[in-house]
Amino acid sequence: QQKVQQSPESLIVPEGGMASLNCTFSDRNSQYFWWYRQHSGEGPKALMSIFSNGDKKEGRFTAHLNKASLYVSLHIKDSQPSDSALYFCAVLYQGGRALIFGTGTTVSVSP
Amino acid sequence: DPKIIQKPKYLVAVTGSEKILICEQYLGHNAMYWYRQSAKKPLEFMFSYSYQKLMDNQTASSRFQPQSSKKNHLDLQITALKPDDSATYFCASSQTTETLYFGSGTRLTVL
Repeated sequence: QQKVQQSPESLIVPEGGMASLNCTFSDRNSQYFWWYRQHSGEGPKALMSIFSNGDKKEGRFTAHLNKASLYVSLHIKDSQPSDSALYFCAVLYQGGRALIFGTGTTVSVSP
Repeated sequence: DPKIIQKPKYLVAVTGSEKILICEQYLGHNAMYWYRQSAKKPLEFMFSYSYQKLMDNQTASSRFQPQSSKKNHLDLQITALKPDDSATYFCASSQTTETLYFGSGTRLTVL
């Protein structure tokens, strides 16, 4: 069974600072990855996907994937108070029929 | 307008009772899912359906039964409710195995 672990569990970042989130997965056959963000009282929303090794940038968000190291990360540049949320990495389940979500990282951006 | 509608938003039930959680999606997607979120397990995959057919069941208990009466509906029937079933249940949809879109959830409390 795929295991998806995230670190740190929680993170406090000053406004304008950089937040770095880490995610490791256990299945070497994993190919497709997403980062989701969930604000309090809402459902998770997809931030970005990454399927190839290397970096992918979308606005203030940069994802990095290293399949050989079973590792994916997310960096949030110029953090805003609206970035305060619970962040999940997600890996496509073998057979490609659902996403398995990580343990989550709570990000708090302090003004 | 919300594209994935979950009803009700809040639900209180007594131990041993039965409840049905409603989900309708208006995104034209052919795949629908149920996830459960609690303090113990942040986002736990339960079921996936594709073209109204069950594709994956990661729920150990038969007390949880998805029901798909229409292409854009996937309800969740829970019988013999237990306090441990208390959680927020999220419905999601996708076009094949692309990005998942989540509803706002049904928060279930079992007394």
